Amino acid sequence: SQTIHQWPATLVQPVGSPLSLECTVEGTSNPNLYWYRQAAGRGLQLLFYSVGIGQISSEVPQNLSASRPQDRQFILSSKKLLLSDSGFYLCAWRVASTDTQYFGPGTRLTVL
Amino acid sequence: DAKTTQPPSMDCAEGRAANLPCNHSTISGNEYVYWYRQIHSQGPQYIIHGLKNNETNEMASLIITEDRKSSTLILPHATLRDTAVYYCIVRVALSGAGSYQLTFGKGTKLSVIP
Repeated sequence: SQTIHQWPATLVQPVGSPLSLECTVEGTSNPNLYWYRQAAGRGLQLLFYSVGIGQISSEVPQNLSASRPQDRQFILSSKKLLLSDSGFYLCAWRVASTDTQYFGPGTRLTVL
Repeated sequence: DAKTTQPPSMDCAEGRAANLPCNHSTISGNEYVYWYRQIHSQGPQYIIHGLKNNETNEMASLIITEDRKSSTLILPHATLRDTAVYYCIVRVALSGAGSYQLTFGKGTKLSVIP
């Protein structure tokens, strides 16, 4: 069966520090991958999606970037974190032949 | 993009059926209705989806009206573990091939009461 992993689970970072969040998927190949952010008390916001290695599409201009160095690995990065980057970051995957997205456990990021 | 409207909160007695409504009056003919739920501090969990016909799986049933302007998610025997925020979502196609966006609103906070 397919499994999606995210780490770390929680992270506290100072303003201006770099960020790297990792997401990996097991048990499937060539998934579509997504990064979402959920701010406190708000809905999910799609940040990036990827349909293949090295292919990244950005939905919202921001202080973040994404990369997909391997088929089942998706990385979210920032060079300098802002206070507004705090939130719950979720990675999701979808097999191209289905319409359903499956979410990982999430990373709770607090920028101080 | 089709918007959805859900009540902000609902209560349900344990063991009873939970019926969660959703309005999506501007849905277009090829858009699916999806339901997810999110238990506190966890990632959203897929429940069910449908286009026109009613759907049922091991978790829930989805009833879509004939005009597709509204739907109801039914949890037949709610348990305490079903306490969560339930999101009704209409699928939106992203630009570019091979992907699409799920637009999550504020959902309905379902509280299952012992």
